[in-house]
Amino acid sequence: EVQLVESGGGLVQPGGSLRLSCTAYGFIFSSNAMTWLRQTPGKGLEWVSGISGFTEYYADSVKGRFTISRDNSKNTLYLGLNSLRAEDTGVYYCAKGGSRWYFDSWGQGTLVTVSS
Amino acid sequence: DIVMTQSPDSLAVSLGERATINCKSSQSVLYSSNNKNYLAWYQQKPRQPPKLLIYWASTRESGVPDRFSGSGSGTEFTLTISSLQAEDVAVYYCQQYYSSPDTFGQGTKLEIK
Repeated sequence: EVQLVESGGGLVQPGGSLRLSCTAYGFIFSSNAMTWLRQTPGKGLEWVSGISGFTEYYADSVKGRFTISRDNSKNTLYLGLNSLRAEDTGVYYCAKGGSRWYFDSWGQGTLVTVSS
Repeated sequence: DIVMTQSPDSLAVSLGERATINCKSSQSVLYSSNNKNYLAWYQQKPRQPPKLLIYWASTRESGVPDRFSGSGSGTEFTLTISSLQAEDVAVYYCQQYYSSPDTFGQGTKLEIK
């Protein structure tokens, strides 16, 4: 059974940093594109960043501030969040899929709150 | 970016009746090389992540009840629930994966009348 388990969310001040992790189970992690999405009250569901092989993709709103990476030996996807803003507040999901493919599995989500 | 617009924003349907949700994309998501529509539908229940229901506009994900069906091509798509069950109360989203960034509709909240 495919399972994605996120961690690393929390409360952070504007300008601060966080690192989110997503550990994958039940499929060949290294062979799949992976994606981070977020859900906010203001913008709904929003694609944030994706990685296919070692090619990285970013939404314009996070380019230069967020960094996606993966460690295939640990079946883990990461998202580094820097220079956080209030509008980055939301539930962050990792999902299996991306790069012109649908998202067939989602993690349970981790809440990021940016507030002073 | 491709803009996805769903209608209606909310919908109340009686148990056992048909529910229809529409999704329109600002440009075609039909890829001519393989004749596939890069369009998916998701269901999200409270305090849960979205769950894939339909992909390639009309292919039902494994384990999804056959009362759920998707149709349409190009820029106009429909999700139909043929006979609404109580467990179908949720918010439904369409998503295009034809071009980056992937984009979602604003969601349609489905309730029981």
